[in-house]
Amino acid sequence: GEDVEQSLFLSVREGDSSVINCTYTDSSSTYLYWYKQEPGAGLQLLTYIFSNMDMKQDQRLTVLLNKKDKHLSLRIADTQTGDSAIYFCAAGEGGTASKLTFGTGTRLQVTL
Amino acid sequence: EAGVAQSPRYKIIEKRQSVAFWCNPISGHATLYWYQQILGQGPKLLIQFQNNGVVDDSQLPKDRFSAERLKGVDSTLKIQPAKLEDSAVYLCASSLVAGGLEQYFGPGTRLTVT
Repeated sequence: GEDVEQSLFLSVREGDSSVINCTYTDSSSTYLYWYKQEPGAGLQLLTYIFSNMDMKQDQRLTVLLNKKDKHLSLRIADTQTGDSAIYFCAAGEGGTASKLTFGTGTRLQVTL
Repeated sequence: EAGVAQSPRYKIIEKRQSVAFWCNPISGHATLYWYQQILGQGPKLLIQFQNNGVVDDSQLPKDRFSAERLKGVDSTLKIQPAKLEDSAVYLCASSLVAGGLEQYFGPGTRLTVT
């Protein structure tokens, strides 16, 4: 089955850019997602990218996909304290968008 | 538009007891998911419904977990009997259609089994 890996922790200063990385194993994954989870809350969908794309930009968020290396990254420009949360990468198994495999999450800490 | 609703938000039970969680998806969403999120891990899919039928329950521990979505709207997830390792947050999500690109998550129910 699919395996999704993420680093556990990232600390950045307010105003800097954050880059959160993720790797996955299933080359047939067509849909790749980034979710945000704040304390005590459910997951909020931030953005997603199709496997036939290299990059997707949405306001302060930029997603880069290296399909050859099965590497996905999320860049947050001008990181704010409100961006402090856990960020999950998820891959849709077997080319579907419904059966998602999540990584363990990266805790982003934004310092002043 | 109201989001996915879940109740209760918190539940503490002793091992071997039973517990049930309730989920009300976004109105009109045909697909409903239950996930288990153990502390420090990402969510793991337990079961997926399309209307009132089960699409995927391959990761549901069927000896103790059951779920239903009788009228294709609300859903309940039950654990009977609970074990210590069932302590987790149980998340419900919904999407407009099967294979819909966007899953919307509820706030979750935090279960503690003592």
